[in-house]
Amino acid sequence: DTGVSQDPRHKITKRGQNVTFRCDPISEHNRLYWYRQTLGQGPEFLTYFQNEAQLEKSRLLSDRFSAERPKGSFSTLEIQRTEQGDSAMYLCASSFGGTGNTIYFGEGSWLTVV
Amino acid sequence: RKEVEQDPGPFNVPEGATVAFNCTYSNSASQSFFWYRQDCRKEPKLLMSVYSSGNEDGRFTAQLNRASQYISLLIRDSKLSDSATYLCVAPDNNNDMRFGAGTRLTVKP
Repeated sequence: DTGVSQDPRHKITKRGQNVTFRCDPISEHNRLYWYRQTLGQGPEFLTYFQNEAQLEKSRLLSDRFSAERPKGSFSTLEIQRTEQGDSAMYLCASSFGGTGNTIYFGEGSWLTVV
Repeated sequence: RKEVEQDPGPFNVPEGATVAFNCTYSNSASQSFFWYRQDCRKEPKLLMSVYSSGNEDGRFTAQLNRASQYISLLIRDSKLSDSATYLCVAPDNNNDMRFGAGTRLTVKP
């Protein structure tokens, strides 16, 4: 499978715990995006990387959230001290080239904070 | 004003009907737009891209109106399998790709 892959697909965690999601983009894609989606809403932009550089962060990304893409390949999204409001689907996506090129999504990582 | 706004829906239409969704965007300099389809609890999947005046793919037609800053998606001869949420995507003022909240379509027998 050469698509975008995300792991884990589902995570249930207790409030206050830290969680980390991993994303492996399509191999030749230089851009990697993280979005968050809650039921009934469209995906909300969180951040994106151009190779290993994090070029944009949304105001939605509080200090408890951090994303890395250390070698310009896979990326991790960590949420520290999770809150119930963090429960959502976290979508990773990748694209080749600049803004305006097609974005391809992974299947998402579902987070439930209890 | 939200950067990308869509018809709220839901749209409930019979099989064979023609249905159209609109999406407005705020960045007048935007050059490329997309429509994605999302099934329940699945990831969004690209349906169509809209780079100039419009695009047509079988029963689906996407049009762009730069003067009024909106794009539309027209689905002809609706099928049961078209039932999904349709997401509009456009660049925001920072050139980040923004999604609308989605329009839910249900096609009924």
